[in-house]
Amino acid sequence: QKEVEQNSGPLSVPEGAIASLNCTYSDRVSQSFFWYRQYSGKSPELIMSIYSNGDKEDGRFTAQLNKASQYVSLLIRDSQPSDSATYLCAVSNAGNNRKLIWGLGTSLAVNP
Amino acid sequence: NAGVTQTPKFQVLKTGQSMTLQCAQDMNHNSMYWYRQDPGMGLRLIYYSASEGTTDKGEVPNGYNVSRLNKREFSLRLESAAPSQTSVYFCASSEGTSGRQTQYFGPGTRLLVL
Repeated sequence: QKEVEQNSGPLSVPEGAIASLNCTYSDRVSQSFFWYRQYSGKSPELIMSIYSNGDKEDGRFTAQLNKASQYVSLLIRDSQPSDSATYLCAVSNAGNNRKLIWGLGTSLAVNP
Repeated sequence: NAGVTQTPKFQVLKTGQSMTLQCAQDMNHNSMYWYRQDPGMGLRLIYYSASEGTTDKGEVPNGYNVSRLNKREFSLRLESAAPSQTSVYFCASSEGTSGRQTQYFGPGTRLLVL
């Protein structure tokens, strides 16, 4: 059973701090990795995609991928109350590139 | 450019009733997906369509049928609704032509089966 695991949280950080969200996956040959944000009652929206080892930065968000250790993380710098949401990690299914394997999500609360 | 649209937004059904959830995308994507999301269960794939004319089962297909009507539209049918099908249903689409499968989601349909 191919899996994607995330700490369910809630992760609570003060406004302005760095929030660190982690995700591990079981399929060594997965190629594509995604972070989605989901506000309560809304649909998931893409924040970042990453395909190569290392860091990828987009504004306040940095995704980090380590294929050898099979983990992907998301750092949110200068966290804002508007970042409070559930963050979903998704990994491509190596056997079927059109499907994603989803984690259950980490709930983040940014406190003013 | 509306992205992915879904209708209806909300629906209440009685056990045994049938209904069709509609999904359309205007991004010229090849692949489309139906998920359900339940508390504590995450996103679970019901059916997907890799390209126009093809459909395949996902993790939880029992009790559902799908139709890929054309490249834009992918519908999900509940033939005889059961309380266990109370959930939030999301449709998504992706380009589907490369190894980079970013999925874009519709706003969802909240379904309550009594």
